[in-house]
Amino acid sequence: DQQVKQNSPSLSVQEGRISILNCDYTNSMFDYFLWYKKYPAEGPTFLISISSIKDKNEDGRFTVFLNKSAKHLSLHIVPSQPGDSAVYFCAAGMGAGSYQLTFGKGTKLSVIP
Amino acid sequence: GAVVSQHPSWVICKSGTSVKIECRSLDFQATTMFWYRQFPKQSLMLMATSNEGSKATYEQGVEKDKFLINHASLTLSTLTVTSAHPEDSSFYICSAPPRGRTQETQYFGPGTRLLVL
Repeated sequence: DQQVKQNSPSLSVQEGRISILNCDYTNSMFDYFLWYKKYPAEGPTFLISISSIKDKNEDGRFTVFLNKSAKHLSLHIVPSQPGDSAVYFCAAGMGAGSYQLTFGKGTKLSVIP
Repeated sequence: GAVVSQHPSWVICKSGTSVKIECRSLDFQATTMFWYRQFPKQSLMLMATSNEGSKATYEQGVEKDKFLINHASLTLSTLTVTSAHPEDSSFYICSAPPRGRTQETQYFGPGTRLLVL
């Protein structure tokens, strides 16, 4: 039973356009969400997070939106760059101070020059 | 930035042998480290939480006698896959949150790919 779902295994976007990566979750106890970026042969690196008390968090070209009623979050990258090509993981956690995360399967983003 | 290393990066072994994987935090202390496993096209699945100076806590369905975890110091946790079988072939990855830091600052190792023949 997957509690965090990324239903698109891959996404291709033209350079300069917007990339939108989606994530759904089923456990209403999750209260914070993170996006990680992973290059081949490397561990995931933290990208951006959002607490359940917010509906949007922005950091440069990256914005995460949270829709609690729909149990859905999305990561927007604009403008997309070839260096953004990687696998993006959505992760969720619960409880302040808890580092345990539940991950989605990941979405492989390819940004085409 | 903080770095977490894993050794070895990949290992091939025969069925029935034991394999030890090390996870080190190189420039910070971590009282807790996490071990994940990822099968092809699947999520990173948390296997266990490694606690410095005490027993590890295992997720449901993970055999503690098969996956031995030792967190001997504030910078080193080891995962030993005992009597490995082909179904244990997977990508094992550890993570470590620096002591006293926020939830976002959790650093992942590069992973260890295990192939059991």
